[in-house]
Amino acid sequence: DIQLTQSPSSLSASVGDRVIITCRATQTVSTYLSWYQQKPGKAPKLLIYAASTLHTGVPSRFSGSGSGTLFTLTIASLQPEDFASYYCQQTYGLMWTFGQGTRVEV
Amino acid sequence: QVQLQESGPGLVKPSQTLSLTCTVSGGSISSRGYYWSWVRQDPGKGLEWIGNIYYTGDTYYNPSLKNRISISVDPSKNQFSLRLNSVTAADTALYFCARVTSTAREFDYWGQGTLVTVSS
Repeated sequence: DIQLTQSPSSLSASVGDRVIITCRATQTVSTYLSWYQQKPGKAPKLLIYAASTLHTGVPSRFSGSGSGTLFTLTIASLQPEDFASYYCQQTYGLMWTFGQGTRVEV
Repeated sequence: QVQLQESGPGLVKPSQTLSLTCTVSGGSISSRGYYWSWVRQDPGKGLEWIGNIYYTGDTYYNPSLKNRISISVDPSKNQFSLRLNSVTAADTALYFCARVTSTAREFDYWGQGTLVTVSS
């Protein structure tokens, strides 16, 4: 199975900060890498797919980059509604997996 | 706007079968270009992909659950369903259904989730 490791597992930030979350895969996933935001008790929301494509309706302060085994999610200027957990997910091959999550806190 | 809604019992006894249904509205489950998926989340923990089904009935399962799960589709009702056999407390989780594009394979629409507790 392809394992995804996110770093950091949690971070403290302030409104206006630039936040970068990293997702590392144990083997290549090409660009079959998506990022999701999840708030407590809610379903995940798609932010980025194909490693760097912004999903419809997602603010442009979110961006993704990378390919192969190393990926990043960047929030250019953190907004109050961005405090949440973020997950990467790989859908390469037949066994799909999620990262363990990164919690972004005040 | 596509919407998905999970339904099913919130409490299942150990060793019994968990059964959930996802009803799709605002779009056809028979649309080419999409898979339909189940994902679960342990309370307070991470996300686990369970498996997918295509409208033709082709299925793709998480190997760690493969011996216990079955996903089916009913295009006439615009629904797909999950059955998980021989449940234990470890299967207690929030269960989500989702739509997956067949190109980049992103999960673009999700149901709100339904909590299933395994307990006697």
